[in-house]
Amino acid sequence: DARVTQTPRDKVTEMGQEVTMRCQPILGHNTVFWYRQTMMQGLELLAYFRNRAPLDDSGMPKDRFSAEMPDATLATLKIQPSEPRDSAVYFCASGLGDGAEAFFGQGTRLTVV
Amino acid sequence: AQTVTQSQPEMSVQEAETVTLSCTYDTSESDYYLFWYKQPPSRQMILVIRQEAYKQQNATENRFSVNFQKAAKSFSLKISDSQLGDAAMYFCASEGGSQGNLIFGKGTKLSVKP
Repeated sequence: DARVTQTPRDKVTEMGQEVTMRCQPILGHNTVFWYRQTMMQGLELLAYFRNRAPLDDSGMPKDRFSAEMPDATLATLKIQPSEPRDSAVYFCASGLGDGAEAFFGQGTRLTVV
Repeated sequence: AQTVTQSQPEMSVQEAETVTLSCTYDTSESDYYLFWYKQPPSRQMILVIRQEAYKQQNATENRFSVNFQKAAKSFSLKISDSQLGDAAMYFCASEGGSQGNLIFGKGTKLSVKP
């Protein structure tokens, strides 16, 4: 049963700490998205990769956020330093692009205190 | 830039009745795709239905169908014979053909009354 795996599922951290969220896309998928979900803003696209190359990270605060794909089986989203306003659910999704369905992970609920 | 607007933050429907969720979008792409995703309280995002913009025929999936009005840039979701399990957040999304960005609206929370 192919699925997108995100870790951790929940994370509580103190302000100023580094946070790393990980995502394992479905094998064979060439497109990876990172989203942030909040009540106020809904689902915001933070970063988008195709064939491991970043195509769009315009939605990501560059001073503290970074997204990478060190290999085809791993995508990471880092926040350094974290702030309380970063508290949200972060989703990773993967797909085949060109209008194909995007499959979502279960999300990481981040709380920064 | 792509934008997706859902003007109904919340909707309610009686079980077994029909409800329509609204969505409008804007894109400069000539080739694009539209989607409705469902997010139940478990927070898992699930694809409900998909529409290719070049197809005039409205997509249907069992009790779910869309009304795609390309000129008006409107893409509404109709749920027939609503069931308690349909209660969820519903997100409209668009993906531009050349860019490939998948952009979501802010969602509509659907409640189903027994």
